Amino acid sequence: NAGVTQTPKFQVLKTGQSMTLQCAQDMNHNSMYWYRQDPGMGLRLIYYSASEGTTDKGEVPNGYNVSRLNKREFSLRLESAAPSQTSVYFCASSDWGQGSDTQYFGPGTRLTVL
Amino acid sequence: QKEVEQNSGPLSVPEGAIASLNCTYSDRVSQSFFWYRQYSGKSPELIMSIYSNGDKEDGRFTAQLNKASQYVSLLIRDSQPSDSATYLCAAPLGDKIIFGKGTRLHILP
Repeated sequence: NAGVTQTPKFQVLKTGQSMTLQCAQDMNHNSMYWYRQDPGMGLRLIYYSASEGTTDKGEVPNGYNVSRLNKREFSLRLESAAPSQTSVYFCASSDWGQGSDTQYFGPGTRLTVL
Repeated sequence: QKEVEQNSGPLSVPEGAIASLNCTYSDRVSQSFFWYRQYSGKSPELIMSIYSNGDKEDGRFTAQLNKASQYVSLLIRDSQPSDSATYLCAAPLGDKIIFGKGTRLHILP
């Protein structure tokens, strides 16, 4: 079992460029999440998907879009990157609400926007 | 009040002593709480969860929940240098998990 995988691990973009961060989990979890982590700010929820076919905004959704492609995959898209989106992005999955309380995190994507 | 609040630290504790990490929460979150540990440059990992008032022990770790005062604590006994990390408190809010900003813990050799 790979758990939660994310690609790429590192990325440098120029302002205005677009990119998609990929996330996949092999634990058959219903829920998937995208967080960003900035120094002193903790983990802030961008978007989440409580089940296949649904997505909802978190605390900081502006400038991002998501797609729950199937039960395994949940992607995060930056349409026009801005320097304020420089951050570490974590994808996570869980079966919260279905009897399991653990949220599993991917290794993160370190994004720099110049 | 934010849903989950923590002192950002850093908290410095001598090796072998007890480290005490605290978290307060609002009425909006569900009454289940999680402590995650995050080493520098790594992703968070779950170390403790607690659902009922009182204490829950797992090895050197003890989680304490006080619903009347709306706080949850994590105690680390016999602190080791390998415990140096950021500790994140988390709680459910509807169908999502909300995290505090984390407390940086530094164990002094």
